[in-house]
Amino acid sequence: LAKTTQPISMDSYEGQEVNITCSHNNIATNDYITWYQQFPSQGPRFIIQGYKTKVTNEVASLFIPADRKSSTLSLPRVSLSDTAVYYCLVGSPYGGSQGNLIFGKGTKLSVKP
Amino acid sequence: DAGVIQSPRHEVTEMGQEVTLRCKPISGHDYLFWYRQTMMRGLELLIYFNNNVPIDDSGMPEDRFSAKMPNASFSTLKIQPSEPRDSAVYFCASSQRFANSYEQYFGPGTRLTVT
Repeated sequence: LAKTTQPISMDSYEGQEVNITCSHNNIATNDYITWYQQFPSQGPRFIIQGYKTKVTNEVASLFIPADRKSSTLSLPRVSLSDTAVYYCLVGSPYGGSQGNLIFGKGTKLSVKP
Repeated sequence: DAGVIQSPRHEVTEMGQEVTLRCKPISGHDYLFWYRQTMMRGLELLIYFNNNVPIDDSGMPEDRFSAKMPNASFSTLKIQPSEPRDSAVYFCASSQRFANSYEQYFGPGTRLTVT
């Protein structure tokens, strides 16, 4: 089971780029890295997923170094609406072990005007 | 698609009563997950199904909790008898397995309060 460690909270201002780093030192060869976003009173929402190097979509970028022991979620030019909790998950998709689906406590991002 | 549908959205019940939470996954999805979220413990996976078959229920806290998926479009999570410590937001999520995607679609949740 690849345990993840991420900051409990982060503050930012509108228009800034925000980088949230997640540590997963014992990531397994078959594990993928997935990030979810959760707003208050809503269920989590998938943001991005990657295995190595860099992945980019319309919402965010995910940077994964060669050793894959950490990953960084990058949110460009955040707005107030990006205030949410961000979860980093590491595991093998559809693995039989519950350990592949642990969300942890996440990082609470607060964006200020 | 309407997304994952959960009912009720809010449930208030007294200790000892039976509680049934309902979930309709997205059509075509072959995986269904039940989660519980509290301030203290965060988001916990309780059980998940694949093609209506329970795959891993090791997260179910105790025998008072049971989950069923009688068909591809419906699942229930039952608590009997309920206790105040069961108060939480219960989420249902579904996904479709393809390649190595790990994208789950969550419902709006059911906020359960046991008094």
